[in-house]
Amino acid sequence: DIQMTQSPSSLSASVRDRVTITCRASQSISNYLSWYQQKPGKAPKLLIFAASSLQSGVPSRFSGSGSGTDFTLTISSLQPEDFATYYCQQSYSTPRTFGQGTKVESK
Amino acid sequence: QVQLQESGPGLVKPSETLSLTCTVSGGSINTYFWSWIRQPAGKGLEWIGRIYTSGNTNYNPSLRSRVTMSVDTSKNQISLNLTSLTAADTAVYYCAREPQTHPYTSRPLDYWGQGTPVTVSS
Repeated sequence: DIQMTQSPSSLSASVRDRVTITCRASQSISNYLSWYQQKPGKAPKLLIFAASSLQSGVPSRFSGSGSGTDFTLTISSLQPEDFATYYCQQSYSTPRTFGQGTKVESK
Repeated sequence: QVQLQESGPGLVKPSETLSLTCTVSGGSINTYFWSWIRQPAGKGLEWIGRIYTSGNTNYNPSLRSRVTMSVDTSKNQISLNLTSLTAADTAVYYCAREPQTHPYTSRPLDYWGQGTPVTVSS
């Protein structure tokens, strides 16, 4: 199985801060990497696919980068509705695997 | 707009079999993979497996001996059976769509159901 490791596990930030979350794969996954946002009691929501493509309807303050084993999700200016948990997921091979999640909390 | 709705018993006894259904509306289930994912309370996401509309499946090796998935294209439904339940199977269970074609050739999970909570307890 491909292991996905996110860092940090949690972070505290303020509105308008720039936030960066990293995700590392245990082997190369090319660009088969997605990012999801999950709020309490809700299903995950797709933000970024193919490592850097913005899903339709997702604000442009979200961006993704990386290829191979190292990936980054950036929120350029954190908004109140962005406090949530973020997961990366690889779709290079089965079983699909997720990072452990990064909880973005209000400072 | 595509919508997914999971359904099933909220409470199941240990050693019994869990049966869940995911009903897809607003679009066809054909030419997509359909995945099941679960999430224990306060924990991360675990991929259970996926099924294509042809019936081809991929299961997580950690659950393969206990999982069966099926598809009913006439009803636009995907089903999950999980046998020999223990308390460790208590979680919210989600179904999600995995497209294969442009622009989603990287195979993300683009639509998710709201999830259905399952508790395994006597």
